[in-house]
Amino acid sequence: GEDVEQSLFLSVREGDSSVINCTYTDSSSTYLYWYKQEPGAGLQLLTYIFSNMDMKQDQRLTVLLNKKDKHLSLRIADTQTGDSAIYFCAETGFSGGYNKLIFGAGTRLAVHP
Amino acid sequence: DAGVIQSPRHEVTEMGQEVTLRCKPISGHNSLFWYRQTMMRGLELLIYFNNNVPIDDSGMPEDRFSAKMPNASFSTLKIQPSEPRDSAVYFCASSRDRGTGNTIYFGEGSWLTVV
Repeated sequence: GEDVEQSLFLSVREGDSSVINCTYTDSSSTYLYWYKQEPGAGLQLLTYIFSNMDMKQDQRLTVLLNKKDKHLSLRIADTQTGDSAIYFCAETGFSGGYNKLIFGAGTRLAVHP
Repeated sequence: DAGVIQSPRHEVTEMGQEVTLRCKPISGHNSLFWYRQTMMRGLELLIYFNNNVPIDDSGMPEDRFSAKMPNASFSTLKIQPSEPRDSAVYFCASSRDRGTGNTIYFGEGSWLTVV
C-alpha cells in the first residue's frame, strides 16, 4: 500500500541549512510534493518534483529525489525563523481513476537564533 | 482571488451534538477533498469529489460521518453524533484537475473540539 514516512522533529540554527527527509512506498507516484504548514493555517504547496527528475532547485529550496531508494529530501538554505513550520512530504496515489495525495506525518522544523 | 473558504473556523460542541462543517472551493475547481488532521494520525484523506460526485470515501471513519456536494461551489461534512475523539482540524481542499498536487489548494481549516 501507499505510505510516506518522515522524521518528526528537526532543530537548526538560523542561517544554517535544513534537510528534511522522507521515504515513500509507491514507485508509480508521478509527482512528489513538499507542503508547509504554519501554526493555525492550512497547507501551502512549497514545491514539487516530477518523478523523472533527480533534483529541482527553487531559490533557497532544493529537492532531491532518489527513485531507487524511494527517498525524497528538502533542503532549505540559509534557514530563517520564518521557516519554522511543519513540512509535509506527499506522494500521489491512484484510486478509482483519480489521483489523490498521501501525506507523511510531517516534520516540525524549529529554527533558533 | 478568494481561496478555499471554510466555516466555522473554530467550533466547540458537546458530545452527541451534530456538527456541520462547510466548504466553498475555488471557483472553477472541479475536485474537492476533505482531510482530517490529528496529532496521532496526521493528515488523513476522508473523502474526495470530482464534478460533485464522491469518488473515494474509503477514509470516512464510520457512519457518523457524511459528506455532500450539492453543487460545484459548496460542500458539507457532517458528524452526527459527535464524539470527543472527533476533535481535530478538518481541512477542505480543491483542485482544477484530477488532483495532481501542484494545483491543490487548502483552506485554513475548521478546528473542532468535542467535549
